[in-house]
Amino acid sequence: QSVLTQPPSVSGAPGQRVTISCTGSSSNIGADYAVHWYQQLPETAPKLLIYANNYRPSGVPDRFSGSKSGTSASLAITGLQAEDEADYYCQSYDSSLSCWVFGGGTKLTVL
Amino acid sequence: DVQLVESGGALVQPGRSLRLSCAASGFTFENYGIHWVRQAPGKGLEWVSGISWNGGSTGYAVSVKGRFTISRDNNKKSLSLQMNSLRGEDTALYYCAKDRYSSSWNTNSQGMDVWGQGTTVTVS
Repeated sequence: QSVLTQPPSVSGAPGQRVTISCTGSSSNIGADYAVHWYQQLPETAPKLLIYANNYRPSGVPDRFSGSKSGTSASLAITGLQAEDEADYYCQSYDSSLSCWVFGGGTKLTVL
Repeated sequence: DVQLVESGGALVQPGRSLRLSCAASGFTFENYGIHWVRQAPGKGLEWVSGISWNGGSTGYAVSVKGRFTISRDNNKKSLSLQMNSLRGEDTALYYCAKDRYSSSWNTNSQGMDVWGQGTTVTVS
């Protein structure tokens, strides 16, 4: 059971918009700690997609965006493409555990 | 090129020890916090440990605290993870990863922007 809760899977057709939620608590996201998002393509290392809630590293398309409110955060992907099919993970700091925690991951399927 | 290369993974028996290494190149190693993240077969990511730029501050996941020790040698641009009292649940692909901006590993971290290819630890 992950400290941060993500839906196991989401799907969408090419061109559509999908969102992936990340639900935490008052000891992590709700404590105003930053949320980061990663994309992991099959058989590859994770890639930083969004940092500090809503910032994109250089090279990440603006189709990807992040937001945070209360004890939850979301990753939105617009203009869905086949190459977006991957696993997505949120990450935040937890003050009760004094460590970083990841969500369980969400598998995105492009129909 | 900015690069991290892990090594040291192996098949080990429960209760034994293992030391992982991570060699860095292409960036000013001593300026950044560094992390270990693992992924069990078919499972999600788990943050394992982090260390500040000078080794003065370290952090561990609850699952490894007291058994694993992270360290770094800035002169050699290398990171280590000493793993003792290994258990079956420690079986995973272990990644080292560079912090995107922070010299620390904790709340100032801005995510991990460079990852190695991982090294496999099997405890059986």
